Amino acid sequence: EPEVTQTPSHQVTQMGQEVILRCVPISNHLYFYWYRQILGQKVEFLVSFYNNEISEKSEIFDDQFSVERPDGSNFTLKIRSTKLEDSAMYFCASRYTGDSGNTIYFGEGSWLTVV
Amino acid sequence: AQTVTQSQPEMSVQEAETVTLSCTYDTSESDYYLFWYKQPPSRQMILVIRQEAYKQQNATENRFSVNFQKAAKSFSLKISDSQLGDAAMYFCAYRSPPTQGGSEKLVFGKGTKLTVNP
Repeated sequence: EPEVTQTPSHQVTQMGQEVILRCVPISNHLYFYWYRQILGQKVEFLVSFYNNEISEKSEIFDDQFSVERPDGSNFTLKIRSTKLEDSAMYFCASRYTGDSGNTIYFGEGSWLTVV
Repeated sequence: AQTVTQSQPEMSVQEAETVTLSCTYDTSESDYYLFWYKQPPSRQMILVIRQEAYKQQNATENRFSVNFQKAAKSFSLKISDSQLGDAAMYFCAYRSPPTQGGSEKLVFGKGTKLTVNP
């Protein structure tokens, strides 16, 4: 079964450093997302991306965050200058379109620890 | 804005028994989608079941079924014949349908931790 893949599975970074989290969505999917989950808390929406542009973003997704689809397969989340409070599990997700596309499929997550 | 409430932070069930996890939501939309996701200790988010609001019939997937009460804005998950592998966090989630130009995002509840006792 096709799946969303994410790398790295775990990254430790120093405060102030830039981090890039990578995702390969399911191949025929057209909508891409990033969510995050701080330990012990609920999953929160960050951003959605369609047709090579951001279609929606949350208040969490400030100027420190950016997303990019650099080629036909990868979808990346960049955090420019990490803060301690950015420590969280980051989930990439994707969906197709049409009636069958209303289900959003998640990757296994990238656990980011900022020290 | 839509909200999702899971009032049970933790639940436990004996292996082979049945358990029901509660979820309520608040929305002014008439059409939408509801989901249950499972998050085992590996922390991957796995889709368990989905329900379209326009469908009156409750969704079922093997041992998993939902009780969707649209008027009451309730969407509970029933797990029958519970297995040790069902132990996980379960998240209820809401999503607007894209055809109405609604928000793309999933709105999650805080989750219910399910323990399955042997």
